[in-house]
Amino acid sequence: AQKITQTQPGMFVQEKEAVTLDCTYDTSDPSYGLFWYKQPSSGEMIFLIYQGSYDQQNATEGRYSLNFQKARKSANLVISASQLGDSAMYFCAMRDEGTGTASKLTFGTGTRLQVTL
Amino acid sequence: EAGVAQSPRYKIIEKRQSVAFWCNPISGHATLYWYQQILGQGPKLLIQFQNNGVVDDSQLPKDRFSAERLKGVDSTLKIQPAKLEDSAVYLCASSLFGRRTDTQYFGPGTRLTVL
Repeated sequence: AQKITQTQPGMFVQEKEAVTLDCTYDTSDPSYGLFWYKQPSSGEMIFLIYQGSYDQQNATEGRYSLNFQKARKSANLVISASQLGDSAMYFCAMRDEGTGTASKLTFGTGTRLQVTL
Repeated sequence: EAGVAQSPRYKIIEKRQSVAFWCNPISGHATLYWYQQILGQGPKLLIQFQNNGVVDDSQLPKDRFSAERLKGVDSTLKIQPAKLEDSAVYLCASSLFGRRTDTQYFGPGTRLTVL
């Protein structure tokens, strides 16, 4: 069974600063994917970034980067140059990418990020 | 490109009543997912469709929840009868082929309150 742990219920960061949101995972699957989604107060889950378990390099998407440490089973999200619009809930999720067609995402409990002036 | 559409956005019912939610995925997406997100938790998969066939419904409470995806496009999730613990946001997502490496795109959700 897969498990995602996000230990930070809430985080504060000043505008223009960088912030790291923690995520650890547990799985017995040899092939898996790790995701980060942003959920603003409107409720929609917005895809931010993806990292495959066999990817050699850490994923980056604009101001988002994923610090993937496979041996530690961690997949932390780094947001550089925070903006007020980054205030939201952030969810780490994972998915088995082996055989079969079932492809559900398993989510953590989320971290609420508040960006301040 | 239009995103995943869901309706209604909000619904309030009394326990033991029935309710239905509708989802229209991104055009051309073969795979459709329904997730339940209880307050303070991450979403949990209820059911996954590949075209109009069910791939995974292992966490769907089948005694009260049902879902269908006729013609492999839009989908309806029904709860009958509703319980207090069904209060949650119901999120619909879709992906292009349903391959394990395809990104899932989510709709705005339906917030259900059961009184």
